[in-house]
Amino acid sequence: EGQLVESGGGLVQPGGSLRLSCAASGFSFSDHYMDWVRQAPGKGLEWVGRSRDKASSYTTKYAASVKGRFTISRDDSKNSLYLQMNSLKTEDTAVYYCARYRVGASRDYYFDYWGQGTLVTVSS
Amino acid sequence: DIVMTQTPLSSPVTLGQPASISCRSSESLVHSDGKTYLSWLQQRPGQPPRLLIYKISNRFSGVPDRFSGSGAGTDFTLKISRVEAEDVGVYYCMQDTQFPITFGQGTRLEIK
Repeated sequence: EGQLVESGGGLVQPGGSLRLSCAASGFSFSDHYMDWVRQAPGKGLEWVGRSRDKASSYTTKYAASVKGRFTISRDDSKNSLYLQMNSLKTEDTAVYYCARYRVGASRDYYFDYWGQGTLVTVSS
Repeated sequence: DIVMTQTPLSSPVTLGQPASISCRSSESLVHSDGKTYLSWLQQRPGQPPRLLIYKISNRFSGVPDRFSGSGAGTDFTLKISRVEAEDVGVYYCMQDTQFPITFGQGTRLEIK
């Protein structure tokens, strides 16, 4: 069974940077799309962005709220996904989850594995 | 962006009784490939989200059959036939027909 473990969260000042990591195990990481989803304290879920797999040339997509400030990358040799967050704002405060987006046969698309999340707090 | 609107936002239910959550999208979720990418997620207190239902009505592996999904186009429903204590949490509908992926505001299911 697949497992995802996020790390790298913490307290950062507005305008600062932080890099989150997501370590994957139990499945062929390189064959899967991987996403970041965040959740502000006491709030709902917000999609952040996606890294497609090698077969899709590792293309990325981002939410408008983070485009130009956040960058998703991956290292398939380390089974790891990353989220580089620059120019952080107080509204970026949230628990950040990585999630596997399964692109299955019969066009079965869904988020099947989620990590436990890592908390990012942007505050002065 | 497609806006997902859930009702109710809070649902107190008696154990053993049914529960129903509605989700409406601001535009049709039918993809150009003919499929509808509407999922339901459950988030128990202190836990990450967990997939329950995908493509409107397909129950994910390990999900009890008391959970069912239905709907089409812009209107969707999640039903729990008999609520159990472990069902307490927040339920989200989610569309991945079109970028950006968007979620409903969440419906909090609580036991009366």
